[in-house]
Amino acid sequence: KAGVTQTPRYLIKTRGQQVTLSCSPISGHRSVSWYQQTPGQGLQFLFEYFSETQRNKGNFPGRFSGRQFSNSRSEMNVSTLELGDSALYLCASSSGSGSIYEQYFGPGTRLTVT
Amino acid sequence: DQQVKQNSPSLSVQEGRISILNCDYTNSMFDYFLWYKKYPAEGPTFLISISSIKDKNEDGRFTVFLNKSAKHLSLHIVPSQPGDSAVYFCAARKGKEETSGSRLTFGEGTQLTVNP
Repeated sequence: KAGVTQTPRYLIKTRGQQVTLSCSPISGHRSVSWYQQTPGQGLQFLFEYFSETQRNKGNFPGRFSGRQFSNSRSEMNVSTLELGDSALYLCASSSGSGSIYEQYFGPGTRLTVT
Repeated sequence: DQQVKQNSPSLSVQEGRISILNCDYTNSMFDYFLWYKKYPAEGPTFLISISSIKDKNEDGRFTVFLNKSAKHLSLHIVPSQPGDSAVYFCAARKGKEETSGSRLTFGEGTQLTVNP
């Protein structure tokens, strides 16, 4: 079974620009969550999509948005980039229901804002 | 408000000895806890989990202990191997996934180094 894939793996953008990151979950998984990892901050939850609907949202500004398509693939968008948005963005998939709570992570997209 | 905390940024142990990684939490609504391991340039990999109704779960060299009264959990690795060198994250969730979603709250991570 293929794992979670994220594209692109690396990205360099300039302040003020916008960026779109993509995540393909494990086949059959309906939940996709996004996390931001910065040094010393651990993983901060951005939002979760389940069956094309946002089910959970973290404490990030409205510049961060996402969506999920009918095939469960998800995209995350950050508008008006700031230097502080430089981070590793991780996507995780899970079945979305049941007693198995493990999330499976992709390799991440390393975003650098200059 | 850091609801899950890993107070030790780093830990160094000798190969063959026990590694003990600690995690504290503040939210008593958390009912499921997980440990993830992360190598550089890779996403976190699930290691082991424990439900709040249990106090111990074991899987091979990995054992997780949960002390609910102290709001504390720990991961024991015995024996430690050089390949275990990685960042270890503690994570917690509350509620059933189908009602509360899949959100995990993570600690800051502990860098474990196992010396040959």
